[in-house]
Amino acid sequence: QVQLVQSGAEVKKPGASVRVSCKASGYTFTSYDINWVRQATGQGLEWMGWMNPNSGNTGSAQNFQGRVTMTRSTSISTAYMELTSLRSEDTAVYYCVRVTAGTMVRGANPSYYYYVDVWGKGTTVTVSS
Amino acid sequence: SYELTQPPSVSVSPGQTASITCSGDKVGDKYTSWYQQKPGQSPVMVIYQDYKRPSGIPERFSGSNSGNTATLTISETQAVDEADYYCQAWDSSTVVFGGGTKLTVL
Repeated sequence: QVQLVQSGAEVKKPGASVRVSCKASGYTFTSYDINWVRQATGQGLEWMGWMNPNSGNTGSAQNFQGRVTMTRSTSISTAYMELTSLRSEDTAVYYCVRVTAGTMVRGANPSYYYYVDVWGKGTTVTVSS
Repeated sequence: SYELTQPPSVSVSPGQTASITCSGDKVGDKYTSWYQQKPGQSPVMVIYQDYKRPSGIPERFSGSNSGNTATLTISETQAVDEADYYCQAWDSSTVVFGGGTKLTVL
């Protein structure tokens, strides 16, 4: 079955960096975008960025530009997300997700769809001095 | 930046119909998805491309999207449907989530 298996919980000090891994199985890794979404305790979902595992192209939310790096190793079907200059507000559960995307005609015009069809179980990152 | 607005909470009695709205500028021109999240669990997609249900999602879940509002409707709501629900769309190369709605079944 399709799975995204994430690395274990991390505890980091302010100013440090964290790297979370996400191993995909059950499908062709390079055929679907991988995105990263985080959720602080009691809060909503916050999108961080996307990566195309085939090309390696990435894009990130404005809030994370300059701090987040998304990479992959196609040989082991694994995506990575590194977040630098950690602060206490970065304490959250980080989800690796698979996205299905494409274009369909909507009314008279084409429209792009982009939805999360598989979620990892999440990796808890705690930033504390 | 694009925003999607959801009511923080919705209450419904068992067996009744719950409607959760997601408002955004011309959201009807975009494809929307909905996710259900129960405490301590990862979200699960319940609706994609406005109204389609993934396999395994009960028929009581339905979606619509027109104008400035997308709506998730849960018919014959059950206690097991109590959860947080998030809408999502794609805009200008970014994923946008609504703030989430806590559905209480009482």
